[in-house]
Amino acid sequence: EAQVTQNPRYLITVTGKKLTVTCSQNMNHEYMSWYRQDPGLGLRQIYYSMNVEVTDKGDVPEGYKVSRKEKRNFPLILESPSPNQTSLYFCASSPLTGWDQPQHFGDGTRLSIL
Amino acid sequence: DQQVKQNSPSLSVQEGRISILNCDYTNSMFDYFLWYKKYPAEGPTFLISISSIKDKNEDGRFTVFLNKSAKHLSLHIVPSQPGDSAVYFCAASATNNAGGTSYGKLTFGQGTILTVHP
Repeated sequence: EAQVTQNPRYLITVTGKKLTVTCSQNMNHEYMSWYRQDPGLGLRQIYYSMNVEVTDKGDVPEGYKVSRKEKRNFPLILESPSPNQTSLYFCASSPLTGWDQPQHFGDGTRLSIL
Repeated sequence: DQQVKQNSPSLSVQEGRISILNCDYTNSMFDYFLWYKKYPAEGPTFLISISSIKDKNEDGRFTVFLNKSAKHLSLHIVPSQPGDSAVYFCAASATNNAGGTSYGKLTFGQGTILTVHP
C-alpha cells in the first residue's frame, strides 16, 4: 500500500530537548515536504526536498532542520524545541513531475512542547 | 504576510445544494493552484488543481474556477453530500522559478470548514 508514515504520532516533551520526527514514503517519490498546521493559519511549509541531498526552505523554517540522505526518508529535527513549535505536523511526498501529480500526506504528528 | 487567503472560516450548506469555497491570492507569480480536503485525524488529500493557462477545471462533482485578473479562485461542489463535510484548503505555487519563489514551494490558505447538513 502506497503510504507516507510519520513517527511518532503524538509527543509531549519539554523545552530544549532535541527531538526528531521521522517521515518515510514507499512510493519512490523525489519530492518530500514538511508542513505545520496551526489554528487560523492553515498549513505552512517548513522545508521541502526535491531529491536526495537537495533541500530548501519553505515559509517557516526557523527552529527546524531537515536532511535527505535517502530517497525514502525525510526527518524533521528540532534541535532546541520551544513552546511556539507546539503544532500538528504533516509530511508529504510526490513525484517530481509537477503539481498535477498530487502530494500524498502522512496522518500527522501532534507535538506539544512544554 | 498571508499570500493565500480563505476569508470564510466556515460554510454550512444543505445536502444537494451547491457549496462554493473561495480563495484569494496576492502573489502574481503563482501559476498553479490546488485544493485539498482534510478530515479530522487524517492528512490532507488532493481534490483538484488548475494551472493559470486555464480558467476552469472539472472533476465529477468538483469544479475549480480561476479568475487571474481578480487573483481569485473558487471551488464548487455540486451536489453537496454529508461526506463532503471537512476542512478545505486552497494552495498555490509559482512553478517558473521567477520572482524569488521556486518550484517546490507551496503556500496554503487558512482553510474553510464545510458542513453539509442532511
